[in-house]
Amino acid sequence: RKEVEQDPGPFNVPEGATVAFNCTYSNSASQSFFWYRQDCRKEPKLLMSVYSSGNEDGRFTAQLNRASQYISLLIRDSKLSDSATYLCVVNGGNSGYALNFGKGTSLLVTP
Amino acid sequence: GAGVSQSPSNKVTEKGKDVELRCDPISGHTALYWYRQSLGQGLEFLIYFQGNSAPDKSGLPSDRFSAERTGGSVSTLTIQRTQQEDSAVYLCASSRGGDRTYEQYFGPGTRLTVT
Repeated sequence: RKEVEQDPGPFNVPEGATVAFNCTYSNSASQSFFWYRQDCRKEPKLLMSVYSSGNEDGRFTAQLNRASQYISLLIRDSKLSDSATYLCVVNGGNSGYALNFGKGTSLLVTP
Repeated sequence: GAGVSQSPSNKVTEKGKDVELRCDPISGHTALYWYRQSLGQGLEFLIYFQGNSAPDKSGLPSDRFSAERTGGSVSTLTIQRTQQEDSAVYLCASSRGGDRTYEQYFGPGTRLTVT
């Protein structure tokens, strides 16, 4: 079983739509959770951390369900510039500081 | 300020040869990571350095892979006796460490092709 699993998509949505991505992780000892964004043929960039109580950053809302080992990302009022691959990331490794990345969910926002 | 830099940006090598990939982290960042990303695959963690602590090597796929970090700054990833399955983009990332460890800044990567 992969450490982090995501629906690869693609999700095609019109501008202004709300879209949600989900992710599950296998290591119950994981303590840190993130969403990164990766544009085509570019390096990943941190979008936001995910906190136990859920957190919001502008149009983006992240949720964590530890019991189900499930993470979500909600994007409201989608913009064309939101088109990218969204990577679910969970800590792991021997040190606990390694990051395990999902393969990503592809989002295409259309006019 | 300057971001993470990696060199070379592209490397084509013959099967069986050794390669060295270089990463210059952001100045002052104490944590450094190496990942690789194969076509259509997610990022695969390889190794993590934090200050003078022993590195977390749990992601290295075989003993042909090794990495070092000199003076707590520049890092090199060495792949010995390269195989075709080593073809991938090798990404380096750095972070401040501590409670900012996971806020990683990635370099543009080295695209390795083994023929």
